[in-house]
Amino acid sequence: GAVVSQHPSWVICKSGTSVKIECRSLDFQATTMFWYRQFPKQSLMLMATSNEGSKATYEQGVEKDKFLINHASLTLSTLTVTSAHPEDSSFYICSAYRQGYDQPQHFGDGTRLSIL
Amino acid sequence: DQQVKQNSPSLSVQEGRISILNCDYTNSMFDYFLWYKKYPAEGPTFLISISSIKDKNEDGRFTVFLNKSAKHLSLHIVPSQPGDSAVYFCAASEAGGTSYGKLTFGQGTILTVHP
Repeated sequence: GAVVSQHPSWVICKSGTSVKIECRSLDFQATTMFWYRQFPKQSLMLMATSNEGSKATYEQGVEKDKFLINHASLTLSTLTVTSAHPEDSSFYICSAYRQGYDQPQHFGDGTRLSIL
Repeated sequence: DQQVKQNSPSLSVQEGRISILNCDYTNSMFDYFLWYKKYPAEGPTFLISISSIKDKNEDGRFTVFLNKSAKHLSLHIVPSQPGDSAVYFCAASEAGGTSYGKLTFGQGTILTVHP
């Protein structure tokens, strides 16, 4: 089946650091990638939708200058948490799908981000 | 505004019995529904889906039922196995009856299957 790889799986860094998370679709070309955030014991909240070659569409309340998304190719999207602070600590998950093929979104294994 | 709700935070079932997970939604524009299974520190894994033109979809031990008039869907797992223990998320999409389009997730239900 389709595989989505997310890296790193866990990162701990100091407040003020910028952190980049990569999401790769390994065996299909993803026309669209989604970025989600999950707080403990809560649902996955969609942050943004990323289409290859165009600017990401952010959900209401998500700071686009804080969470920079780049979808440079059909197999790679990156989320950069800029000047991260403790309140940005969370579990970030990406998903990918290929438009025109009626397959569900496939998710990466997520990234646990801890800001000290 | 929680458009997709899973009102039971947890469910405990004996091995071999049926597990029934419920999900309610409020957005009448949703036309595609999915169930995902998630283990801690991992991403969700797709289980089964259903389009709004159907009221039932079955795949092995998993069956999803959709009641559009009640805006309710349920996932039945039978027989339940200890390996089914995980968090189950209901998700919905308003994508013209297909699988693409952004998903709105419920809060999840923790299923524990006891041997």
